Amino acid sequence: AQSVTQPDIHITVSEGASLELRCNYSYGATPYLFWYVQSPGQGLQLLLKYFSGDTLVQGIKGFEAEFKRSQSSFNLRKPSVHWSDAAEYFCAVESQAGTALIFGKGTTLSVSS
Amino acid sequence: GAGVSQSPSNKVTEKGKDVELRCDPISGHTALYWYRQSLGQGLEFLIYFQGNSAPDKSGLPSDRFSAERTGGSVSTLTIQRTQQEDSAVYLCASSVDSGRSDEQYFGPGTRLTVT
Repeated sequence: AQSVTQPDIHITVSEGASLELRCNYSYGATPYLFWYVQSPGQGLQLLLKYFSGDTLVQGIKGFEAEFKRSQSSFNLRKPSVHWSDAAEYFCAVESQAGTALIFGKGTTLSVSS
Repeated sequence: GAGVSQSPSNKVTEKGKDVELRCDPISGHTALYWYRQSLGQGLEFLIYFQGNSAPDKSGLPSDRFSAERTGGSVSTLTIQRTQQEDSAVYLCASSVDSGRSDEQYFGPGTRLTVT
């Protein structure tokens, strides 16, 4: 069965420091992978997606993610975190039927000054 | 332009009552999805509509849950005989169509509290 694992429930990073959020997936074929962000009281917003081609994808707000098939990973990175990046981040894989997103449990990011 | 809208934003109901949650997708989007976000379970897929095709109901947790989509636009999620475990945020999303890698645009959600 398809699944997504986000090993870190909560991460705290200092403002200006780099960030990496981990995501591992279980999927039988070429995965379609997504990262979404949910700020307090806000809906889910797409940061970036991967479905083919270059394994390093760029997204909005200065985020990037790298697809590594050998490690079944799709980790999200940002070189310098801003206080406004504090939010909950979700990794997702599209179901094989293409009718749903299967989400990880999410990682809450706190940014300290 | 307008995004996905959902109503009500909050709903408190007594155990055993029926509730209806509404979703207005982005105009022109043919695919519509319902998800549930709860503390214990994270984000779970409930149901998917695409045009006039039969919906994918594989994520509905019980037969107390149903959804319809009228005229290919507005959707209503109905929960009958609500239970406390139904308390969650119900999210609706829409996409241009169901082609792979299409971005799903999410609404702000309806927070349901069953007392």
